Amino acid sequence: KNEVEQSPQNLTAQEGEFITINCSYSVGISALHWLQQHPGGGIVSLFMLSSGKKKHGRLIATINIQEKHSSLHITASHPRDSAVYICAVRRGGGSNYKLTFGKGTLLTVNP
Amino acid sequence: EPEVTQTPSHQVTQMGQEVILRCVPISNHLYFYWYRQILGQKVEFLVSFYNNEISEKSEIFDDQFSVERPDGSNFTLKIRSTKLEDSAMYFCASSGITSSYEQYFGPGTRLTVT
Repeated sequence: KNEVEQSPQNLTAQEGEFITINCSYSVGISALHWLQQHPGGGIVSLFMLSSGKKKHGRLIATINIQEKHSSLHITASHPRDSAVYICAVRRGGGSNYKLTFGKGTLLTVNP
Repeated sequence: EPEVTQTPSHQVTQMGQEVILRCVPISNHLYFYWYRQILGQKVEFLVSFYNNEISEKSEIFDDQFSVERPDGSNFTLKIRSTKLEDSAMYFCASSGITSSYEQYFGPGTRLTVT
């Protein structure tokens, strides 16, 4: 069983729609990352959070440590939001902060 | 804004050849990582590096792989004898106290082994 599960795997939306991507994890963590990856491209960190909620522009990330669950929301989605969104968890501390990744959610926003 | 850089962006090599992938982490970061992503699969951890030594390595990181921080700015990943299955995108990342250990990723090197 994967330590990090994302849903849905694929998501198609119309421009302007509210988007939610979910991430569940099965291990204790020290932090959770939401990352964005464009096709064939690099990885950009959107959020790192260990509790509560963070907001950046149209993006909102929440985490419930007790439930081992996080959500990424995109308000007023736009075609440029089309990308793969990846949840990754950080378990370690000390000298190792390696990340364990989910498989990603492919988001397509149509105009 | 400081960023992680990687060179080359694309490397094509023949099976059995040695390759070195280079990364320049963000300058005041102390923790360094290599990850890889085989086409169509999820990103996987390879190795973490701190204080001039490996902190942790995955099962993928066998004797064919090595890492080095040769001059205090570069961070390299060497694959001694490449195999077809080493074809992947390799990402370098760095983190530090100044970023609350949030990892910043480089743009990746696409390695193609023929």
